[in-house]
Amino acid sequence: GENVEQHPSTLSVQEGDSAVIKCTYSDSASNYFPWYKQELGKGPQLIIDIRSNVGEKKDQRIAVTLNKTAKHFSLHITETQPEDSAVYFCAASRMDSSYKLIFGSGTRLLVRP
Amino acid sequence: NAGVTQTPKFRVLKTGQSMTLLCAQDMNHEYMYWYRQDPGMGLRLIHYSVGEGTTAKGEVPDGYNVSRLKKQNFLLGLESAAPSQTSVYFCASSLLAGAYNEQFFGPGTRLTVL
Repeated sequence: GENVEQHPSTLSVQEGDSAVIKCTYSDSASNYFPWYKQELGKGPQLIIDIRSNVGEKKDQRIAVTLNKTAKHFSLHITETQPEDSAVYFCAASRMDSSYKLIFGSGTRLLVRP
Repeated sequence: NAGVTQTPKFRVLKTGQSMTLLCAQDMNHEYMYWYRQDPGMGLRLIHYSVGEGTTAKGEVPDGYNVSRLKKQNFLLGLESAAPSQTSVYFCASSLLAGAYNEQFFGPGTRLTVL
């Protein structure tokens, strides 16, 4: 079945440094790739997404890249701040089963002040 | 506008007991979902609904039942709880089921089965 692998499981960076989280998906028909941020005690919240017809998307300090050939996509956070500390989940989905988001296992990001 | 709310926030059950988790959304969303979140496994889809009166199975439906009698509510039932159902349960909703539609999540219910 469909599978999304996410690495690393934990990531610790110094405030101001960049953080990169990587995901690999197995279903070549996947065409939508959202990233969710989950703060302690809360539900996940969408922070950025990318569609398969786009290679890169940026929103202020957050960017996502997609390599369809390699079936990889990554989240890049620049100039990290303590409030970026959270668990980040990648997910993949395809139009013909659009209800189904397949989530990665999550990355716990800690930004040290 | 409260978004997606879940009741209760915490619950402890004994093996074999039953309970119902309630999810409510006030955004007039058509689609609603129940996920469970376990350490190191991300979120897995239990059941979902594409509209009032409809439900369907997700990735891990065994041991759970759902009902969507009203558009704004989606209930998740455990008829005979097992320790393997100890988890954090999240409800989500989206306006349409299209792959590009954002899912909005509730705050979660932490369930422990002893």
